[in-house]
Amino acid sequence: EAGVAQSPRYKIIEKRQSVAFWCNPISGHATLYWYQQILGQGPKLLIQFQNNGVVDDSQLPKDRFSAERLKGVDSTLKIQPAKLEDSAVYLCASSLGVIGELFFGEGSRLTVL
Amino acid sequence: AQKITQTQPGMFVQEKEAVTLDCTYDTSDPSYGLFWYKQPSSGEMIFLIYQGSYDQQNATEGRYSLNFQKARKSANLVISASQLGDSAMYFCAMREGRNTGFQKLVFGTGTRLLVSP
Repeated sequence: EAGVAQSPRYKIIEKRQSVAFWCNPISGHATLYWYQQILGQGPKLLIQFQNNGVVDDSQLPKDRFSAERLKGVDSTLKIQPAKLEDSAVYLCASSLGVIGELFFGEGSRLTVL
Repeated sequence: AQKITQTQPGMFVQEKEAVTLDCTYDTSDPSYGLFWYKQPSSGEMIFLIYQGSYDQQNATEGRYSLNFQKARKSANLVISASQLGDSAMYFCAMREGRNTGFQKLVFGTGTRLLVSP
């Protein structure tokens, strides 16, 4: 079974530029999550989708971050314009449903200069 | 308020010994789940073990066991017979709420485990 796919693995941009990350969850997983993990910290949930609807985006900085999950499958997370403090690993995860673990991708590491 | 607390920034253990990684949590919800994830240097989060709040017995998965003390709100991970490949960051996480598809995991700050030969 293929795991959660993310791209790109690494991205370096200058502040005020924009960046987009892509995630393809495990086939059949209805729930998709984007987490931000700043160096030395645990992952923080940015947004959670159930199929193509947003369940929780309370910690998403909506003035600069946006995410979509068209057709309830893959998802894109965008940052525009980026700030220095956005430097982090962006982890995508998916889950099958009601109980059980989240399956994570390898993450996309963003460096903002 | 911190929901998940991991007080050990780093732990050292010798190969083949057992090690306990501490985790305490805070919730007023009677229904919750506790997870442990391993994050090697590659960055991927790997699920290790799960304990539901209503589970009567401590969860075990191979060399991993979860010492669940509900009254003390602690969910410590025990790794028996440590291996060099166990060197990684370990995160404790909690899901609150009823068992629905809208589970949301809140993570602790992690503990870095180093296993020496």
